[in-house]
Amino acid sequence: EAGVTQFPSHSVIEKGQTVTLRCDPISGHDNLYWYRRVMGKEIKFLLHFVKESKQDESGMPNNRFLAERTGGTYSTLKVQPAELEDSGVYFCASSRTGDVNSPLHFGNGTRLTVT
Amino acid sequence: AQSVTQPDIHITVSEGASLELRCNYSYGATPYLFWYVQSPGQGLQLLLKYFSGDTLVQGIKGFEAEFKRSQSSFNLRKPSVHWSDAAEYFCAVGSLISNFGNEKLTFGTGTRLTIIP
Repeated sequence: EAGVTQFPSHSVIEKGQTVTLRCDPISGHDNLYWYRRVMGKEIKFLLHFVKESKQDESGMPNNRFLAERTGGTYSTLKVQPAELEDSGVYFCASSRTGDVNSPLHFGNGTRLTVT
Repeated sequence: AQSVTQPDIHITVSEGASLELRCNYSYGATPYLFWYVQSPGQGLQLLLKYFSGDTLVQGIKGFEAEFKRSQSSFNLRKPSVHWSDAAEYFCAVGSLISNFGNEKLTFGTGTRLTIIP
């Protein structure tokens, strides 16, 4: 089975620009999560989708971040306009619902650099 | 609020030596505990998890971890490290939403492991 796929793997943008990150979860995984790691700090939860619905978006930093999961398949995370403090590695993860033993499968992450 | 502390930012060990990575957590209820590893250029891979039962948990790649409630710890161990174990290791705590499976995790800041020949 294909793993969680994220692209781009790297993105370098200037402050004020817009960037869209994409995540393709494992087929059949209804849970989809976004996490972020700012340099040298812990990996922090951003939000959780169950299918196309946002289950928990308590970790979203501010309204410059918009996550969508149309059709309950892939998800996008848009940052508009980007600020310097948005730099970091953005991870996506997916898992099956209804299975308490279903582990989170993480993608390789997107490294975002805002200059 | 739940939190995880990994007190060691960077550890260097010789190949073949034993390893212990420390993790302390703060959580109001029964915790669900995880160790993940991130190798260079890779995503996070689950090494092992503790939900309940035997407090000594076996994982992949020869790793094990022991849950000690009295010390709020979940340290990761390996009796003999290999050069391929060089990576960053993350401890995490979470709870489960029974309807959906996995809830959001709270991670520590990670421990970078360097292996010397």
